[in-house]
Amino acid sequence: RKEVEQDPGPFNVPEGATVAFNCTYSNSASQSFFWYRQDCRKEPKLLMSVYSSGNEDGRFTAQLNRASQYISLLIRDSKLSDSATYLCVVRLTGGGNKLTFGTGTQLKVEL
Amino acid sequence: EAGVAQSPRYKIIEKRQSVAFWCNPISGHATLYWYQQILGQGPKLLIQFQNNGVVDDSQLPKDRFSAERLKGVDSTLKIQPAKLEDSAVYLCASSKVGNEQFFGPGTRLTVL
Repeated sequence: RKEVEQDPGPFNVPEGATVAFNCTYSNSASQSFFWYRQDCRKEPKLLMSVYSSGNEDGRFTAQLNRASQYISLLIRDSKLSDSATYLCVVRLTGGGNKLTFGTGTQLKVEL
Repeated sequence: EAGVAQSPRYKIIEKRQSVAFWCNPISGHATLYWYQQILGQGPKLLIQFQNNGVVDDSQLPKDRFSAERLKGVDSTLKIQPAKLEDSAVYLCASSKVGNEQFFGPGTRLTVL
């Protein structure tokens, strides 16, 4: 079983739609959680951290369920510029800041 | 503030040849990471340095891959000899200890 699993997509949605991505992780010692965004042929960039209480940054909402080992990302009112691959990332307790990435979910926002 | 610099940006070699990649981290970042990203997959950590010491190299194929960070600043990653399956983007990242990692633009390697 992969340490971090995501649906690879692609998710093709119209502009203005709400889209949700899910991610599961296998190691219960995972301590910190993130969503990274990667544009085509570019490097990954941190989109947001994910906290147990859930957190929001503008149109983006991230949630964590430690009991189910499940992470989600919700994008509201999607824009053409949101088209990218969204990577689910976990960091283990005592892992020396080592990040484990999922395969990524590709989002295409269309007119 | 300058970001993580990598060179070359692209490299095409034949199998069994050698290749080296260079990375210069963000100034003041003690931790440096090399990742391999195969097409359609997420980045996979190959090696992590803190200053000039290795923190984690558990996923580095040591029979053909080597990396060094002699002066605790820039780093090189070498593959010798290359195999077809080494075709990937090699990403360098840096961070302050325990903090957010910032990635460079990557080196896209094609092994023919």
